[in-house]
Amino acid sequence: QQPVQSPQAVILREGEDAVINCSSSKALYSVHWYRQKHGEAPVFLMILLKGGEQKGHEKISASFNEKKQQSSLYLTASQLSYSGTYFCGTETAFGSARQLTFGSGTQLTVLP
Amino acid sequence: DTAVSQTPKYLVTQMGNDKSIKCEQNLGHDTMYWYKQDSKKFLKIMFSYNNKELIINETVPNRFSPKSPDKAHLNLHINSLELGDSAVYFCASSLYVDTQYFGPGTRLTVL
Repeated sequence: QQPVQSPQAVILREGEDAVINCSSSKALYSVHWYRQKHGEAPVFLMILLKGGEQKGHEKISASFNEKKQQSSLYLTASQLSYSGTYFCGTETAFGSARQLTFGSGTQLTVLP
Repeated sequence: DTAVSQTPKYLVTQMGNDKSIKCEQNLGHDTMYWYKQDSKKFLKIMFSYNNKELIINETVPNRFSPKSPDKAHLNLHINSLELGDSAVYFCASSLYVDTQYFGPGTRLTVL
């Protein structure tokens, strides 16, 4: 079943912060985050494994609450280059990453 | 060096035709995938495949078939193309449960 992402779209100014949420009705083993710029392929950002860990990638970080079956992606001091569509992909059992289910995406636009 | 490559980049064809999209990865990964991304940007897994197992998303019509001549290649064959098949098709690869690397995509337009 497809995870639910929110918001569907967000517009912010350079330097502002944003949070993108991903929730599932199924128990999750891991959550993957990808960013896709217009006309390009999705690019990996990070994987969060069962255990509630938090990861960071420059000014982009994420958390994973396995009890709530939720993950959030945090973008701080956003840059123009952060614009794109962000997808979360969920794995519901170990080894099932070969069947990652992606959310519908969150379109992020950063304005100067 | 391109990690995951796809050909062709664009494919325009008539309804009812049969077409193939090729995918190659030079990352030494053991698993390859095909995704379909429609006009609403929804990214849907179609197949995942390693040298032992093919997993097919049950919603994919059997007109679509993956063919893997070796570990580095996973081609997508589509028979009797329909208007609704128009989309961008992405190939991806990974090392088991790790990061998936996507190819540049093939934009298929069925007229």
